[in-house]
Amino acid sequence: AQSVTQLGSHVSVSEGALVLLRCNYSSSVPPYLFWYVQYPNQGLQLLLKYTSAATLVKGINGFEAEFKKSETSFHLTKPSAHMSDAAEYFCAVSGSSNTGKLIFGQGTTLQVKP
Amino acid sequence: SQTIHQWPATLVQPVGSPLSLECTVEGTSNPNLYWYRQAAGRGLQLLFYSVGIGQISSEVPQNLSASRPQDRQFILSSKKLLLSDSGFYLCASSGTFNEKLFFGSGTQLSVL
Repeated sequence: AQSVTQLGSHVSVSEGALVLLRCNYSSSVPPYLFWYVQYPNQGLQLLLKYTSAATLVKGINGFEAEFKKSETSFHLTKPSAHMSDAAEYFCAVSGSSNTGKLIFGQGTTLQVKP
Repeated sequence: SQTIHQWPATLVQPVGSPLSLECTVEGTSNPNLYWYRQAAGRGLQLLFYSVGIGQISSEVPQNLSASRPQDRQFILSSKKLLLSDSGFYLCASSGTFNEKLFFGSGTQLSVL
């Protein structure tokens, strides 16, 4: 079975500061890992995806994430936060069957203060 | 790319009433389709997924059911809503295994 744990349901940073959103996964097979962003009252959009190629994955809007197998982590970072980054962020791991279904973490709400 | 149409955007229903949420997909054929529920503070929970017409897999036992009458149509239903069915319901689509999910804009369901 696979699972995802996102550490911290709320993260608050100042505009221009580093953004770090933590994600740890559990998987019995090599995982595919994803970060999605959800703006208020909208569906989710893919930020980036890890598929066993490069361990450092670059996504949209300046976000990136690093896959660390030894730590079973896939933390999301951005060097400088913008006000428009305020949203809810979800880490997800692919399911074990050939259906493409994802297992999502609980989500982390990012607040950006001026 | 795929476009997911989901309606209605908001819905308020009394306890015990039926439910039908519809989702249609454009821009692809034979997609994998999913229904997720997002309850407050609980992240996204996969409810159902479908790999083809008439093929439905349920992830959790519940008061809801799903159907896929056409290739790009996915319907979430209930005969009698419960208070605990309240939440934000998201339809999603993907191509083959481990491709990214495309999400609809969601339906906020309030059961009163």
